[in-house]
Amino acid sequence: ETGVTQSPTHLIKTRGQQVTLRCSSQSGHNTVSWYQQALGQGPQFIFQYYREEENGRGNFPPRFSGLQFPNYSSELNVNALELDDSALYLCASSYRDGSEKLFFGSGTQLSVL
Amino acid sequence: QQPVQSPQAVILREGEDAVINCSSSKALYSVHWYRQKHGEAPVFLMILLKGGEQKGHEKISASFNEKKQQSSLYLTASQLSYSGTYFCGTEGDAGGTSYGKLTFGQGTILTVHP
Repeated sequence: ETGVTQSPTHLIKTRGQQVTLRCSSQSGHNTVSWYQQALGQGPQFIFQYYREEENGRGNFPPRFSGLQFPNYSSELNVNALELDDSALYLCASSYRDGSEKLFFGSGTQLSVL
Repeated sequence: QQPVQSPQAVILREGEDAVINCSSSKALYSVHWYRQKHGEAPVFLMILLKGGEQKGHEKISASFNEKKQQSSLYLTASQLSYSGTYFCGTEGDAGGTSYGKLTFGQGTILTVHP
């Protein structure tokens, strides 16, 4: 158990819809990173939030957006869903103490039909 | 650019050893290793930093060759619990840590049989 919780665990949407995924960070962590993991692949960095500001973004279009709240929980929003957005979305929390260990949640499995 | 892991898969019997390699085409600041079991979250194993020492705990250790931009994960006397997919995650050497913005390899599937 990492202390990072994600909801929902599974989600089915249709193409064109919008989705919001949620993440509760481990206590004491001030940084949240979101990753997309396609089947059989390694996680791919989407973006990171630190102190409620976006702090780095991977190669994902603007329809992927996020928020970090004062309690360090976070949301990932995806607009205009495409079939290729089907994947496991992982949230990872960390604390900027130089070690940068990532503590992952179990993820949200998104299926876009 | 995504680091390349090898082998893609390895099958062991309990007690056997394995080495998983991670190679990058760019200069690295750090290499992270994670293990993911089916349907579960990736779990942190260790971090190796540029200029740092070889790390290890229990029967799992790792090395980082900065000049070759390569890291290797060593699993000795494997146990059934070692089964899973191992990922290396890298940070490019842009003057320090990127605070967890990792580029992961494609993973190595390790299966340990009794």
